Amino acid sequence: QQQVKQSPQSLIVQKGGISIINCAYENTAFDYFPWYQQFPGKGPALLIAIRPDVSEKKEGRFTISFNKSAKQFSLHIMDSQPGDSATYFCAASIGNNNDMRFGAGTRLTVKP
Amino acid sequence: NAGVTQTPKFRILKIGQSMTLQCTQDMNHNYMYWYRQDPGMGLKLIYYSVGAGITDKGEVPNGYNVSRSTTEDFPLRLELAAPSQTSVYFCASSGSRSNTGELFFGEGSRLTVL
Repeated sequence: QQQVKQSPQSLIVQKGGISIINCAYENTAFDYFPWYQQFPGKGPALLIAIRPDVSEKKEGRFTISFNKSAKQFSLHIMDSQPGDSATYFCAASIGNNNDMRFGAGTRLTVKP
Repeated sequence: NAGVTQTPKFRILKIGQSMTLQCTQDMNHNYMYWYRQDPGMGLKLIYYSVGAGITDKGEVPNGYNVSRSTTEDFPLRLELAAPSQTSVYFCASSGSRSNTGELFFGEGSRLTVL
């Protein structure tokens, strides 16, 4: 059973457009929600993360929106660039992340 | 800065063979993890360790074993390899007192069992 459900599975966006990836979780005890970015042949790397005491966090072109009541969070990539083409994973954990649960991943392609 | 280093990067095994995936980190992190990544399935936690001498099962531990004799090293042992263990394996580490929850991943080990 997937505790963190991610959609879409793949996404194609034109350069300059907005990329939006959505995640939903089941366990209300989750209190840490990171997004990881993975390029081909590399391990995932932390992109941005949020805790449930805020509804939005922005870092440059990347924004996490968090809806605690709906148990959903999303990643928005503004002004998407070809260099953003990668696989993105949402995740959720409780406390010290010993059992971080990952979504299935979204393969983003940004066309020039 | 090497970070998390995994070896080998690629390996082909025959059914029933055994092997060890090596993982070492130079960040003095107490927490270390092994994940497997399968297409369309995200990352699944196999085993983790909160410090030398301490290990625990994750979500998908069957068919695997780990040990943690030092802070730096966390090898993953596959006994009696099966085709279902064909996957990409990632080792990760995180700081013991870190409140950020950031996992630092290696570059992965791609294993094929034929």
